[in-house]
Amino acid sequence: EPEVTQTPSHQVTQMGQEVILRCVPISNHLYFYWYRQILGQKVEFLVSFYNNEISEKSEIFDDQFSVERPDGSNFTLKIRSTKLEDSAMYFCASSRLRTGGSYTFGSGTRLTVV
Amino acid sequence: AQTVTQSQPEMSVQEAETVTLSCTYDTSESDYYLFWYKQPPSRQMILVIRQEAYKQQNATENRFSVNFQKAAKSFSLKISDSQLGDAAMYFCAYRSSGQGAQKLVFGQGTRLTINP
Repeated sequence: EPEVTQTPSHQVTQMGQEVILRCVPISNHLYFYWYRQILGQKVEFLVSFYNNEISEKSEIFDDQFSVERPDGSNFTLKIRSTKLEDSAMYFCASSRLRTGGSYTFGSGTRLTVV
Repeated sequence: AQTVTQSQPEMSVQEAETVTLSCTYDTSESDYYLFWYKQPPSRQMILVIRQEAYKQQNATENRFSVNFQKAAKSFSLKISDSQLGDAAMYFCAYRSSGQGAQKLVFGQGTRLTINP
């Protein structure tokens, strides 16, 4: 079964550094998402992306964050100048249809900011 | 804005017994999708079951079934014949059927423990 692949699985970075989290969505999917889950809390929407532009972003997704689809396969989340509170699990997801249930999550990247 | 509420932070059940996890949501939309996701200690998000709001019939996937009450905006998950591998966090989620890339809105989660 097709998978959404995320790399790395775990990243440790120093406060103030930039990190790039990478995702390879399922090849025939058109809609891409990033979610965040702080340890012990619920999963929160960050941003959705379609046709090479942001469709929607949450209040969390401020100027510190950016997304990019640099080629036909990768979908990246960049966090500039990381803060301690950015430590979380970051999930990439993709969907083929605009709506409905074809929504697949990656296995996540655990980001630890020290 | 839509909200999803899971009022049970923790639940426990004896192995082989049945347990029901509660979820309520708030929306003004008539057409939408509801999901239950399982998150084991690995923290991967695994889709358990999905329900389309326009369908009256409750969704079923093997030992997992839902009780979808649209008027009450309730979407509970029933796990029959609980197994040790069912132990995990369970998240209820809502997705609009409107235009554009639609995000999932999650509840706070219920931690399910299975007692052998």
